[in-house]
Amino acid sequence: EVQLVESGGGLVKPGGSLRLSCAASGFTFSSYSMNWVRQAPGKGLEWVSSISSSSSYIYYADSVKGRFTISRDNAKNSLYLQMNSLRAEDTAVYYCARGVWSGYSPPLLHWGQGTTVTVSS
Amino acid sequence: DIQMTQSPSSLSASVGDRVTITCRASQGISNYLAWYQQKPGKVPKLLIYAASTLQSGVPSRFSGSGSGTDFTLTISSLQPEDVATYYCQKYNSALLTFGGGTKVEIK
Repeated sequence: EVQLVESGGGLVKPGGSLRLSCAASGFTFSSYSMNWVRQAPGKGLEWVSSISSSSSYIYYADSVKGRFTISRDNAKNSLYLQMNSLRAEDTAVYYCARGVWSGYSPPLLHWGQGTTVTVSS
Repeated sequence: DIQMTQSPSSLSASVGDRVTITCRASQGISNYLAWYQQKPGKVPKLLIYAASTLQSGVPSRFSGSGSGTDFTLTISSLQPEDVATYYCQKYNSALLTFGGGTKVEIK
């Protein structure tokens, strides 16, 4: 069974930093691209970032480009999101998600339960 | 960047009604379109991909159609358990843009 478990969320002041982690199990992590998707309170889904299986290709939404860094450690079956220069509008539940298949840019079948990030003074 | 626009933003229908949600892409995306269902307090669930392919385990009352820029999600007979917000998403590139969502309620 595919499992994705996020951690690292919390309360941080504007301008601060936070590192999210996603522990994956139940599949060959190194074969799949991975994604971060967020959802602000009462709002819709927003794709944040994706990383290819070997970390060769990395993409970001314009709203986080230059502030967030996605990475992965295939030896540890883990996905990360380093978030710097945080703003109030980054407040959201952050989901780790995996695609239906291992190829390029798949629709997202497996989702973690999410970790909550609150940016407030 | 390609924008995804859903309509309506919300709707209310009776049990047994046929419900249709529309998603429009600002540029053509072939059939690289997925639909998700998110029930209150729950994680999003993939319903349909490739515009019309039902994900395994999804009830057959859900169907999708369209290609290019205009897409539709149809619930043939609305059930109480279908109360949720529905999102479309394009995946023709690595930028996986979502639509704004359509909230479906029971009248």
